[in-house]
Amino acid sequence: QQQVKQSPQSLIVQKGGISIINCAYENTAFDYFPWYQQFPGKGPALLIAIRPDVSEKKEGRFTISFNKSAKQFSLHIMDSQPGDSATYFCAASYSSWGKLQFGAGTQVVVTP
Amino acid sequence: NAGVTQTPKFRILKIGQSMTLQCAQDMNHNYMYWYRQDPGMGLKLIYYSVGAGITDKGEVPNGYNVSRSTTEDFPLRLELAAPSQTSVYFCASSHETGTGEVKLFFGSGTQLSVL
Repeated sequence: QQQVKQSPQSLIVQKGGISIINCAYENTAFDYFPWYQQFPGKGPALLIAIRPDVSEKKEGRFTISFNKSAKQFSLHIMDSQPGDSATYFCAASYSSWGKLQFGAGTQVVVTP
Repeated sequence: NAGVTQTPKFRILKIGQSMTLQCAQDMNHNYMYWYRQDPGMGLKLIYYSVGAGITDKGEVPNGYNVSRSTTEDFPLRLELAAPSQTSVYFCASSHETGTGEVKLFFGSGTQLSVL
């Protein structure tokens, strides 16, 4: 049973557009929500993370929005670039642990 | 720094064979993990370790064993390989940054097929 549900499974966006990936969780004990980016043939790499005491965190073109009452969080990629084409995973854990519950992943393709 | 190094990169096993996936990190991280990645399923935690001599089960430990004799190495052992163990295996390590954020450093993975 997937404790973190991620959608969409894939998306195609034009260069310069906005990519939006959504995740939902059930366990209210989760208190750390990272996003990982994975390129083909590579391991995932931490992109950005948020804790539930803030509603939004921005790092460059990447923004996490967090809705604690709805138990949902999302990743926005602004001004998407072809180099952003990758698989993105949301995740959740307790007490900032490395024991992460991952979503199923979203394959993002940015067309030129 | 090499980071997290996994060997081999690819392996084909026959049903019932055994093998060890190697993982080494040179960042002096206390925490190490083994995840498996299946298509459309994300990554699932197999085993983890909080330091040399200490290991514990994750979400999907059946059919696997681990050991942690040093801080650097965290091998994953498959006994009696089964087709259900066909997957991509990732080793990772981490330390707590002190700000409450834990950054996992992943290796490049081992693609394993059991036929």
